[in-house]
Amino acid sequence: DIQMTQSPSSLSASVGDRVTITCRASQSIRSYLNWYQHKPGKAPNLLIYAATSLQSGVPSRFSGSGSGTDFTLTISSLQPEDFATYYCQQSHSAPTFGGGTKVEIK
Amino acid sequence: QVQLQESGPGLVKPSQTLSLTCTVSGDSIDSGNHYWSWIRQPAGKGLEWIGRIYISGSTNYNSSLKSRVTISVDTSSNQFSLKLSSVTAADTAVYYCARHWLWPGGHDAFDLWGQGTLVTVSS
Repeated sequence: DIQMTQSPSSLSASVGDRVTITCRASQSIRSYLNWYQHKPGKAPNLLIYAATSLQSGVPSRFSGSGSGTDFTLTISSLQPEDFATYYCQQSHSAPTFGGGTKVEIK
Repeated sequence: QVQLQESGPGLVKPSQTLSLTCTVSGDSIDSGNHYWSWIRQPAGKGLEWIGRIYISGSTNYNSSLKSRVTISVDTSSNQFSLKLSSVTAADTAVYYCARHWLWPGGHDAFDLWGQGTLVTVSS
């Protein structure tokens, strides 16, 4: 199985901050990488698919980059509704997820 | 608006079989190019994909759970189901059903999820 490692596991940030979350795959997954936002008690929400494509309805402050083994999710200006846990997931082979990054209010 | 809703017992005894159903509303389960998946999350841990089914009945399972998992689909009821046998406390988790969308070009992602249902394995 392909292992996905996210960093950091948590971070504190303020509204308006630029936030960057990193995801590393244990082998090359080309651009088969997705990002999700998850709030407690709610259904996870797809943000980015194919490493860089913004899912319909997702605000443009979210963006994804990377290919091969190293990927990044960036929130350009953190909004109050963005405090949540973020997961990466590879779709190159049997799906596996990163451990998550919890974004908390500073 | 397409919605998914999990249902089933919230408490299962060790060694028994966990059974959950996901009801799809707002669209036909056999429309479009997608799979239907089950994913779980133990408390304080990350997400684990369990398996998926295509409308043809073709299935794929997580290799670590394959010997205990069965996923099936009932198009007449617009539902798909999960059975996990011989459960232990390690199977206690929030279980999600999700639509596994396939884009032209080969990319895929879980684009729609249910709210999740907590299943506790305990005597």
